[in-house]
Amino acid sequence: DIVMTQSPLSLPVTPGEPASISCRSSQSLLHSNGYNYLDWYLQKPGQSPQLLIYVGSYRASGVPDRFSGSGSGTDFTLQISRVEAEDVGVYYCMQGLQTPFTFGPGTKVDFK
Amino acid sequence: QVRLQESGPGLVKASQTLSLTCTVSGGSSSSGGYYWYWIRQHPGKGLEWIGYIYYSGTTHYNPSLKSRVTISVDTSKNQFFLNLYSVTAADTAVYYCARDLGYCTGSNCYSLVYWGRGILVTVSS
Repeated sequence: DIVMTQSPLSLPVTPGEPASISCRSSQSLLHSNGYNYLDWYLQKPGQSPQLLIYVGSYRASGVPDRFSGSGSGTDFTLQISRVEAEDVGVYYCMQGLQTPFTFGPGTKVDFK
Repeated sequence: QVRLQESGPGLVKASQTLSLTCTVSGGSSSSGGYYWYWIRQHPGKGLEWIGYIYYSGTTHYNPSLKSRVTISVDTSKNQFFLNLYSVTAADTAVYYCARDLGYCTGSNCYSLVYWGRGILVTVSS
């Protein structure tokens, strides 16, 4: 199985400030079609996860442009340009290249 | 807008079978190009991929559960199903059903764009 790790696991943030989460995979997530099969999800308190970023850097429909994804191969980053109150929750990365699809342990983002 | 809704018993006895249904509305489980998933989340923990089914009936399961799980689909009812056999307390979790994006890069993208609200299933001894 591809093992996913994230850092940090806890991220206290200040509203209006930027934030960044790292995700690393034990194998390259580069598909033969040239895309990296790495997604980012946000699970807000009491809710289901929601898709933020797919195949590494594409924002899902309705996701604010303050969210961006980057990276390739085994190293990926989710950046929030200016954190807002609605951004608190747990962020997960997931690889969709090889079954079983696997998730990172999650990064809990809350306010300082 | 595609909506998914999990249903089933919230309490299952150990050694019995956990059976859940996911009902799809605003779309169709018979639509080609999409995979339909079950994912679970143990209390206070992260996400675990259980498996998926394609509308044609092709399935793929997490090897950690493979011997105990089946996923099936009834396209006429726009429903798909999870059966998890011989459950133990370790199977207590919130179970989610989901659908992926379908084709997005010239190939299928397995990004989970639609999720149900989840159903908590507790296994009792």
